[in-house]
Amino acid sequence: GAGVSQSPSNKVTEKGKDVELRCDPISGHTALYWYRQSLGQGLEFLIYFQGNSAPDKSGLPSDRFSAERTGGSVSTLTIQRTQQEDSAVYLCASSLDWGTSAYNEQFFGPGTRLTVL
Amino acid sequence: DAKTTQPNSMESNEEEPVHLPCNHSTISGTDYIHWYRQLPSQGPEYVIHGLTSNVNNRMASLAIAEDRKSSTLILHRATLRDAAVYYCILRGTGGFKTIFGAGTRLFVKA
Repeated sequence: GAGVSQSPSNKVTEKGKDVELRCDPISGHTALYWYRQSLGQGLEFLIYFQGNSAPDKSGLPSDRFSAERTGGSVSTLTIQRTQQEDSAVYLCASSLDWGTSAYNEQFFGPGTRLTVL
Repeated sequence: DAKTTQPNSMESNEEEPVHLPCNHSTISGTDYIHWYRQLPSQGPEYVIHGLTSNVNNRMASLAIAEDRKSSTLILHRATLRDAAVYYCILRGTGGFKTIFGAGTRLFVKA
């Protein structure tokens, strides 16, 4: 079946511009995660959505970052007034986790490589 | 959040077994131990997970210490395609926020 998809695969933007990154999770997956990975670094948790619960935004690095998940499916990560330090690969993952516990494997998308000039 | 500790890097020869260690001394009783790997220029992919008993699948084996404070991912015969960063993480009642450490970069020599 279809896996997690992300678009665009690459995005080059100028400093100060806004960007939107999209994630289509696996159908039926209740939990959706966003991570950021800078060059040569590990994954940095940004935000997760679980069903209709309020998202955990504790990993967002600044108020320039926001995310929404519409209809419990597609998610959009928005970065306003981009800075050069925002350059990274943004990864989305989904899983079948439900309730208050996370046990199941996460399925990752291929990522969006963001370059801020 | 419970954390894991892994060596920064390891090296193996092709066709030999590889044992990748992970320490998780603050693991809670209901946390599952998950392993993921990230091949170059790709998103992470799931490898294996377990709770208490050792686990085997087509990719690897997971050996969990009796006190659950450590685990070892075992690749039975390393290939060049196994060269990747391997992440050990805990998932369970701590919630959905998932902390990936720096992982172990595995180098495989032909």
